[in-house]
Amino acid sequence: KNQVEQSPQSLIILEGKNCTLQCNYTVSPFSNLRWYKQDTGRGPVSLTIMTFSENTKSNGRYTATLDADTKQSSLHITASQLSDSASYICVVFDRGSTLGRLYFGRGTQLTVWP
Amino acid sequence: DVKVTQSSRYLVKRTGEKVFLECVQDMDHENMFWYRQDPGLGLRLIYFSYDVKMKEKGDIPEGYSVSREKKERFSLILESASTNQTSMYLCASSLITGLTGNTIYFGEGSWLTVV
Repeated sequence: KNQVEQSPQSLIILEGKNCTLQCNYTVSPFSNLRWYKQDTGRGPVSLTIMTFSENTKSNGRYTATLDADTKQSSLHITASQLSDSASYICVVFDRGSTLGRLYFGRGTQLTVWP
Repeated sequence: DVKVTQSSRYLVKRTGEKVFLECVQDMDHENMFWYRQDPGLGLRLIYFSYDVKMKEKGDIPEGYSVSREKKERFSLILESASTNQTSMYLCASSLITGLTGNTIYFGEGSWLTVV
């Protein structure tokens, strides 16, 4: 069964600290993995897209890693800011069907305190 | 910038009413999607469309229908709203999702409360 599991479910950190969010997936055949940021009451916004051959991709203070062998990804946030408080969603694309489909994790709720 | 616009941010409807949620995208995307998002459940796909007048059921299509008469517009219809359809509804669009560089763009969401 294709699944995407994220951990932790929620996380509280102090402003300026770093944190790492985890994503494990069983989706096969794998095509790409995406991280989205969703502010409260808003739609998700794309942070990164990674393919099978990519190990690391950065977007400012966000760095995503992918280990396609172990089917794990992480999102590392450096020097956190209050505006990083949001839900972070891991999304995996399955290319097994004609159109493919997306599988969503349930998200990690990050709260950054001053 | 790509824009996906959902016409209504907040709606309150009565049980049994017919509800229309409208979504428009301005980037000539082939694919459009409707999801609902509930606490603890993440995003669940209701319907998607890969071309005008084409539609495919997602994981939870029961109680919903869709319409795509024009490429830029994708409507979600609740034929007879029920309280268990109270949720946040997200519309999204993309070019062909199989291609690596094609991002899925989401609207801001429509909060529907059925009383």
